[in-house]
Amino acid sequence: GAGVSQSPSNKVTEKGKDVELRCDPISGHTALYWYRQSLGQGLEFLIYFQGNSAPDKSGLPSDRFSAERTGGSVSTLTIQRTQQEDSAVYLCASRYSSANTGELFFGEGSRLTVL
Amino acid sequence: GNSVTQMEGPVTLSEEAFLTINCTYTATGYPSLFWYVQYPGEGLQLLLKATKADDKGSNKGFEATYRKETTSFHLEKGSVQVSDSAVYFCALSSYSSGNTPLVFGKGTRLSVIA
Repeated sequence: GAGVSQSPSNKVTEKGKDVELRCDPISGHTALYWYRQSLGQGLEFLIYFQGNSAPDKSGLPSDRFSAERTGGSVSTLTIQRTQQEDSAVYLCASRYSSANTGELFFGEGSRLTVL
Repeated sequence: GNSVTQMEGPVTLSEEAFLTINCTYTATGYPSLFWYVQYPGEGLQLLLKATKADDKGSNKGFEATYRKETTSFHLEKGSVQVSDSAVYFCALSSYSSGNTPLVFGKGTRLSVIA
């Protein structure tokens, strides 16, 4: 596609349920990033993929969070046993290379609400 | 570690007013600096960037100069429009840390009124 695509755009779930958020990056982009945007907290880095490997998982807030990327393309962020504090907008971004000057292209995000 | 501090909002301006959003950073090595903008209902998009000291990034009438001596990258626009209403994020990427993801400030919400 022309841009980074994320789904679902909105997800409402009950506390304790598992959720999966999907990101389809721009074709050919090797680097993929997940961020979380909470009200008043700015953007919090979660995890980064170069190809299918994740050299930096330091931002995952707990072991309930995991992510994978297959075929160097689509990535899935999974949150198990969701808690109310997981409510946020989850943003995915990709870029062509890992060079630090490369622009990150963001999707529109997946808004997660945990009741 | 790397960090970005930007002025807290919200900022409310009248149309055609001058805009400054302050941004300072702490980083190891020689970071690249960015301003991203998030318009209502849209994803973040790059507004401008600067990759070395004294570089000036500019786009859509916005400017920011990479000041190494003051570790700053303030965003300015001479005459804002209603369509500039958005949330603005300052960010850095530090080459010395390898494939470090962008580190963002908390964002500054700008509202421009006619």
